[in-house]
Amino acid sequence: KAGVTQTPRYLIKTRGQQVTLSCSPISGHRSVSWYQQTPGQGLQFLFEYFSETQRNKGNFPGRFSGRQFSNSRSEMNVSTLELGDSALYLCASSLHQGTNQPQHFGDGTRLSIL
Amino acid sequence: SQQGEEDPQALSIQEGENATMNCSYKTSINNLQWYRQNSGRGLVHLILIRSNEREKHSGRLRVTLDTSKKSSSLLITASRAADTASYFCATIKGTGNQFYFGTGTSLTVIP
Repeated sequence: KAGVTQTPRYLIKTRGQQVTLSCSPISGHRSVSWYQQTPGQGLQFLFEYFSETQRNKGNFPGRFSGRQFSNSRSEMNVSTLELGDSALYLCASSLHQGTNQPQHFGDGTRLSIL
Repeated sequence: SQQGEEDPQALSIQEGENATMNCSYKTSINNLQWYRQNSGRGLVHLILIRSNEREKHSGRLRVTLDTSKKSSSLLITASRAADTASYFCATIKGTGNQFYFGTGTSLTVIP
């Protein structure tokens, strides 16, 4: 079974631009979560999608948005990029929602803002 | 803000030695999970311990949980160079999948 796939692996953008990151979960997984990882703040939860609906949202500005499609694939969009948005963005999937579900992570998209 | 804090931040040991890392968290939990992250890669789930469990084993991993102290520990026995990675504890808020990760322990195993 293929793992969680994130594309692209690396991305370089300039301030003010926008970016869309993609995540394909493990086949059959319906919950997709996004995290931002930086050296200073560590791993921070962005949002979670389940059955095409955003179920939970972290403490990030409205420039960060996402969506989930009927096949459970998810995209994350960041508009008006700032230098501080440089980070590793990780996507994780699990079968369902619920506190006993381990998360399966992709290898992330490394976003660099110039 | 992060839910958990790992201690120590960095740990360097010789191959064959045991490695112990600790995690403290802030609120009540249903379960606590440990993850490993190799450099430049995503996180890999290692083990889950429920709030009503005190100890759990998986291969060379041993996890303990003390809910009264809001702390957990991960012991890796007979470490190998391949265990070199960062280790994170994670707790969950509410009923969804909003995980809070600790600050991580960077483990280096010297061959």
